[in-house]
Formats: sequence, C-alpha cells, structure tokens
Amino acid sequence: SSELTQDPAVSVALGQTVRITCQGDSLRSYYASWYQQKPGQAPVLVIYGKNNRPSGIPDRFSGSSSGNTASLTITGAQAEDEADYYCNSRDSSGNLVVFGGGTKLTVL
Amino acid sequence: EVQLVESGGGLVQPGGSLKLSCAASGFTFSGSAMHWVRQASGKGLEWVGRIRSKANSYATAYAASVKGRFTISRDDSKNTAYLQMNSLKTEDTAVYYCTRRVVSSSWSGWFDPWGQGTLVTVSS
Repeated sequence: SSELTQDPAVSVALGQTVRITCQGDSLRSYYASWYQQKPGQAPVLVIYGKNNRPSGIPDRFSGSSSGNTASLTITGAQAEDEADYYCNSRDSSGNLVVFGGGTKLTVL
Repeated sequence: EVQLVESGGGLVQPGGSLKLSCAASGFTFSGSAMHWVRQASGKGLEWVGRIRSKANSYATAYAASVKGRFTISRDDSKNTAYLQMNSLKTEDTAVYYCTRRVVSSSWSGWFDPWGQGTLVTVSS
C-alpha cells in the first residue's frame, strides 16, 4: 500500500471547482508534486513546490498544503482536464519516493 | 527541447533479464538525478528506483519490490541512464518510464520531464 492516500475517483461538473487531495505523514515535512496522466500518455507535471505551475499549465490549476494533506484544485474544470491525477513526495524516511494511488477525475 | 527517450522493452520469460535505456537531451544530464517509474496496465504509478549524480556519489535506491533484482546505472558521457532487470517476474510487466528529479530544496522535488515509456512484458 502507498504511503500517500488519494480518493480513487472524483467528479466535477463542467466549469465548476474540484479539489483532489493527497494524505500522508511525509507531507508534514515535504511538498507534494502533482501529475496529470491521460490514457496512453506519459504523466505530465502540473504543480510543484508550494504552488508552482510549469510553463504551459493553465492557471486554473493550483496547489496547497495543510498538515498531512496536499491538495490540487482545478478552478473552472474543462473537459480536457478529465484524466488521472497522481501526487508524489518523499516517503516517511525521506530517502525514497512514493506516489499516491491516483485519482480518476471525471468532468460531467 | 528537454527530452527523455526510453528503449529496450520487449517480451521476456519469467526468470529472464532485460536492460532498458533512457537517452536524455536538452539539459545537463550529468548533474541530474534520474529515476525509473513503472505502471502496470490499468494501475497507478509505482516508483522503481533512482541514481543520483556524480556529485552525490552516484547513490542508488530502490523500491522494496525490486531491490536485489534491479540495478540502475548511468553513463554521463552518453547522457544515458539504464535499468538492468534480472530475475524478472510476471508482476514486473508494466510500462517503464524514466524521469528527471528536480530538487529545489531538501523539502521540495518533482519529476520533469518524463519519457514516453517502454513496455516490458514478462510471460512464458
């Protein structure tokens, strides 16, 4: 089992706001990064650090963290945001890396 | 353009070996930590292992599921990382991605870019 826990599936109405969460003890010490993966494609970085977006990622994507929970928020979800989302951070030892189990986002 | 290209995947029998390559371009490969991540069909991402840079003594670390069977290496003169997989099991069947770990501080790191992945199938 992963040291980072995500809800398996979340849905959102088109244009509405959705929050995807990631829980784990290591998140009290390390920032999470977030990845979007569409079917048949490699993961793509969408959020890193405290709340940073790589070039080309829309500003409707944002990140936050509180205690042992990191969150990815999509404000005004679009149809193209339908994908699997994974969080990532170090494990509790700080030496290894772990991924959350992933959240399948459906845009209705 | 920052790019990673994996190669070497294919069909191998249980107990067999396979070596994957990851060719990098567009960034300073020698100064970067390189990681391997895999994904079984319909499943989530699983971290496999990593190799750090020369400045960090080429230190390696592995997930418990592959420790003792997989070995990560690199050739900085060729801008290439490798994943040697021995004693393969059917449960190692997955798409294998290589990716660069970017670290801005001791509490912040991320993976970017990712390769397109290479499929490894372990079956008799």
